[in-house]
Amino acid sequence: EVQLVESGGGLVQPGGSLRLSCAASGFTFSSYEMNWVRQAPGKGLEWVSYISSSGSTIYYADSVKGRFTISRDNAKNSLYLQMNSLRAEDTAVYYCARDFRLEREFHYYYYMDVWGKGTTVTVSS
Amino acid sequence: DIQMTQSPSSLSASVGDRVTITCRASQSISSYLNWYQQKPGKAPKLLIYAASSLQSGVPSRFSGSGSGTDFTLTISSLQPEDFATYYCQQSYSTSMYTFGQGTKLEIK
Repeated sequence: EVQLVESGGGLVQPGGSLRLSCAASGFTFSSYEMNWVRQAPGKGLEWVSYISSSGSTIYYADSVKGRFTISRDNAKNSLYLQMNSLRAEDTAVYYCARDFRLEREFHYYYYMDVWGKGTTVTVSS
Repeated sequence: DIQMTQSPSSLSASVGDRVTITCRASQSISSYLNWYQQKPGKAPKLLIYAASSLQSGVPSRFSGSGSGTDFTLTISSLQPEDFATYYCQQSYSTSMYTFGQGTKLEIK
């Protein structure tokens, strides 16, 4: 079964740090790009970060650039999100999601086809 | 950045109704548009990719259309399990994905 399982969430004070993990199983993790997506309480989905299959290409949302670091360990089938200088507005459920690339008529289409159940991060004093 | 705007933000409908949700991009995104369904306390689920392709296992009552800046998600005959929040997402800009704000579909 294809599966993603997040962990590492919790309560942290403003300015603190947290490291999220996402364990992948049931597919060849090293062949897929991955994303982190978050959802603040009662709000919509916000894309946070992307990492290519090799880890050589990384993107961040402006809201987390300079504070969050995405990484992966293909040998361990794991994705990570190091979150520093946390703010109250970072409070959210954080999901990892597989990025599927479909080639069709010389175009590449990307979509997030597998999602974990999420891990909750609460930033509060 | 590409902005995605969904309408309506919320919608009340009855079982058996035909429902359409609209998503508009701030610039042309060709067919790089995906739709997700999310139920309370659950992770999002992919419904439609590349604007009109149905993800495996998704009922055929769901369909997507559009290209450029205007897209629609249609549910041909609402079922009780379809009451949820729906999000569009652009993948034209691979360096910065963006979601619409969501459309909450409620039972009338």
